[in-house]
Amino acid sequence: AQSVTQPDIHITVSEGASLELRCNYSYGATPYLFWYVQSPGQGLQLLLKYFSGDTLVQGIKGFEAEFKRSQSSFNLRKPSVHWSDAAEYFCAVGARGNEKLTFGTGTRLTIIP
Amino acid sequence: DAGITQSPRHKVTETGTPVTLRCHQTENHRYMYWYRQDPGHGLRLIHYSYGVKDTDKGEVSDGYSVSRSKTEDFLLTLESATSSQTSVYFCAISESMTGNTEAFFGQGTRLTVV
Repeated sequence: AQSVTQPDIHITVSEGASLELRCNYSYGATPYLFWYVQSPGQGLQLLLKYFSGDTLVQGIKGFEAEFKRSQSSFNLRKPSVHWSDAAEYFCAVGARGNEKLTFGTGTRLTIIP
Repeated sequence: DAGITQSPRHKVTETGTPVTLRCHQTENHRYMYWYRQDPGHGLRLIHYSYGVKDTDKGEVSDGYSVSRSKTEDFLLTLESATSSQTSVYFCAISESMTGNTEAFFGQGTRLTVV
């Protein structure tokens, strides 16, 4: 069965600092990997996704993620965070032909001035 | 914004009563999903549909049923609500959740069972 681990429940960073959110997955086949963001009281919005090819994926809002098969990781990064990035971030895994995504438990990001 | 609407947005109900949540889309997407979101658990799939009258169970389907009689509507029913079903419920739509298309989520329904 597929699974996703987000080891950090809550992260606090200063505005302008760099950010890395961790995601580790478990899946027998080649995974499809996703990062979603959820602002308070809102639904989820797709930030970026990896299917194949270049292991460094660019997304919206200046985010990027790197797929590392050897480490079963898909960490999300941003070089300089903005106050508007405060939200909850979810990593998810799926696979071709498997139309059911499995989500991690989420990381809540707080930005301090 | 994608055309996906959940109703109601908030509901308080009593234990043992039936509850139906509605998800309506205007995108004509094939797949529709119901997730529940709980602290410490992230999003967990309850049921999903891959076409009219075609549905399948997710990982937390006990106590829930679904119906999809039209492409645009996907109903989630709690036959007899329990306090453990207090949660935020999200509907999602997609042409293919794992294809080269984006999934869109509704704004959620906060359900409280007292």
